[in-house]
Amino acid sequence: GEQVEQRPPHLSVREGDSAFITCTYTDPNSYYFFWYKQEPGASLQLLMKVFSSTEINEGQGFTVLLNKKDKRLSLNLTAAHPGDSAAYFCAVDNAGAKLTFGGGTRLTVRP
Amino acid sequence: EAAVTQSPRSKVAVTGGKVTLSCHQTNNHDYMYWYRQDTGHGLRLIHYSYVADSTEKGDIPDGYKASRPSQENFSLILELASLSQTAVYFCASSDWTGGGETLYFGSGTRLTVL
Repeated sequence: GEQVEQRPPHLSVREGDSAFITCTYTDPNSYYFFWYKQEPGASLQLLMKVFSSTEINEGQGFTVLLNKKDKRLSLNLTAAHPGDSAAYFCAVDNAGAKLTFGGGTRLTVRP
Repeated sequence: EAAVTQSPRSKVAVTGGKVTLSCHQTNNHDYMYWYRQDTGHGLRLIHYSYVADSTEKGDIPDGYKASRPSQENFSLILELASLSQTAVYFCASSDWTGGGETLYFGSGTRLTVL
């Protein structure tokens, strides 16, 4: 089945710096991709979902890149601020009604 | 707004005891899921369901049973709780119709087995 590896597991950046998180997946038929954010003590909330036809996806304060050739999904938080401190999870859906999650990245943004 | 409610929020159980975690959704979604999250790790799918009175095994079903008595309710049952089942459990729902649908998560249940 699908395997998703997420790196790095922990990331600490200064306020205003960029934070870059990457996931690699194994199933070349994967078609839908997600980033979820989990603030401390809270549940997961959708940050962005992308479809395989779009390589670059812009959000508010972040960009999601999809490289289907390398089977890599990336999240780049530009100009991170303390409110971005959270755990981030990628997830992959190959249209089989089940998501496979990466292991998560715990991001700390230092003032 | 989409709502998935889990109960209890936290629970302490003894090894060998029976534990039932409950989930209720008001989203009118057909699909419901149970995931477990271990400290410092991602989510792994235990069981899911796409219709009342039917459940499907996920990636790590051993030691767990699930029950879907209605579209709104989905329970996770640990018949004989073990130490290794200490984790945070998340319920989620979606209106899956072919791919790309968002999962809506509950607040989680922190289970400690002693």
